[in-house]
Amino acid sequence: EDQVTQSPEALRLQEGESSSLNCSYTVSGLRGLFWYRQDPGKGPEFLFTLYSAGEEKEKERLKATLTKKESFLHITAPKPEDSATYLCAVQRRGNTPLVFGKGTRLSVIA
Amino acid sequence: DAGVIQSPRHEVTEMGQEVTLRCKPISGHNSLFWYRQTMMRGLELLIYFNNNVPIDDSGMPEDRFSAKMPNASFSTLKIQPSEPRDSAVYFCASSPDRNSPLHFGNGTRLTVT
Repeated sequence: EDQVTQSPEALRLQEGESSSLNCSYTVSGLRGLFWYRQDPGKGPEFLFTLYSAGEEKEKERLKATLTKKESFLHITAPKPEDSATYLCAVQRRGNTPLVFGKGTRLSVIA
Repeated sequence: DAGVIQSPRHEVTEMGQEVTLRCKPISGHNSLFWYRQTMMRGLELLIYFNNNVPIDDSGMPEDRFSAKMPNASFSTLKIQPSEPRDSAVYFCASSPDRNSPLHFGNGTRLTVT
């Protein structure tokens, strides 16, 4: 069974204090690993897809990396508007639906 | 593009009542997914459709849950009868195909008392 574990559950940062979120996964035949951002009262919003170990994607202050067992979402010099829940999901080869982790709730304090 | 539209945004009902959640996917998207989100279990897939045909409903918790997609622009998730443990946020998502990123609606928060 595919499993996704995210850590920490919650993270509180000062504005400008860089950090990383972790997503560990177990999947038989990874097709892709996805990162989403979810704001309160909203649905998840797509950020990145990573397909192979060693791949990196960047968007503004966010950078996602992938190894064979985990993915990291690095946040550089975060701002209060980066506060959200970040969700990681995996998709197995064969057009299967995404399996999500429970997310990391990030708070960035000014 | 209006995005995925879900209604109602909030639903409060009593145990035993029938609940119907509605979803309008993005035009042109061939895949539609229903997820449920709770603090304890996170986002769980209930069922997904491809070209209006249900592909996998193994995530539907029990026979009280049913989903339909009568056409490419509309889907419903029905719970009958509802129970307090069904309280959660229900999300609908669509994508151009099963390999593309999902576009989520803003969810329906269901409270069953």
